[in-house]
Amino acid sequence: SQQGEEDPQALSIQEGENATMNCSYKTSINNLQWYRQNSGRGLVHLILIRSNEREKHSGRLRVTLDTSKKSSSLLITASRAADTASYFCATDEMGGGADGLTFGKGTHLIIQP
Amino acid sequence: GAVVSQHPSRVICKSGTSVKIECRSLDFQATTMFWYRQFPKQSLMLMATSNEGSKATYEQGVEKDKFLINHASLTLSTLTVTSAHPEDSSFYICSASTSTDTQYFGPGTRLTVL
Repeated sequence: SQQGEEDPQALSIQEGENATMNCSYKTSINNLQWYRQNSGRGLVHLILIRSNEREKHSGRLRVTLDTSKKSSSLLITASRAADTASYFCATDEMGGGADGLTFGKGTHLIIQP
Repeated sequence: GAVVSQHPSRVICKSGTSVKIECRSLDFQATTMFWYRQFPKQSLMLMATSNEGSKATYEQGVEKDKFLINHASLTLSTLTVTSAHPEDSSFYICSASTSTDTQYFGPGTRLTVL
């Protein structure tokens, strides 16, 4: 079932600025992942944060996870035009076994040059 | 890194025909493969989960007789859209999982039903 909700749905900023996207979910999770999708293309895995982690960094990406609030944020620092894409959070729900991911509706990010 | 391929990348078919989409894990054995569907400007929705050698598990609202999934080996899963209709036009994406919690996504297949 669809449980992730990202906000904002769309975000337009100037190149060089930081972009923050948020994701909320409803059930207990094993981990939360962020993906990027360029228009009409496949998914690119950005970062995975486990339920016992609070913050994770990868290059210009910073992800936080607050399991008490069931929310996560993705921060892209020093944005570039090439960062223009849709960004999705996806949760791996707790429950054992191999489960498909539940994706949020995504944030469409536009970086203005 | 782990690579997942899909074939074809694009397919156009006439209404009423069947279309088969292949998903392959190229350099690893996938214990589980997943099929997702994405309508334009929307998020991905999980359709079904397939394990090698067993029947696929379909999500609620997904017709198993319309979307046939065969997971014949640890590196290949196929999705057949039977008697396709224009409303089946979508972007179909597969992913493959090993024993870890990481899923590796294929590049997707754009299906257009005329």
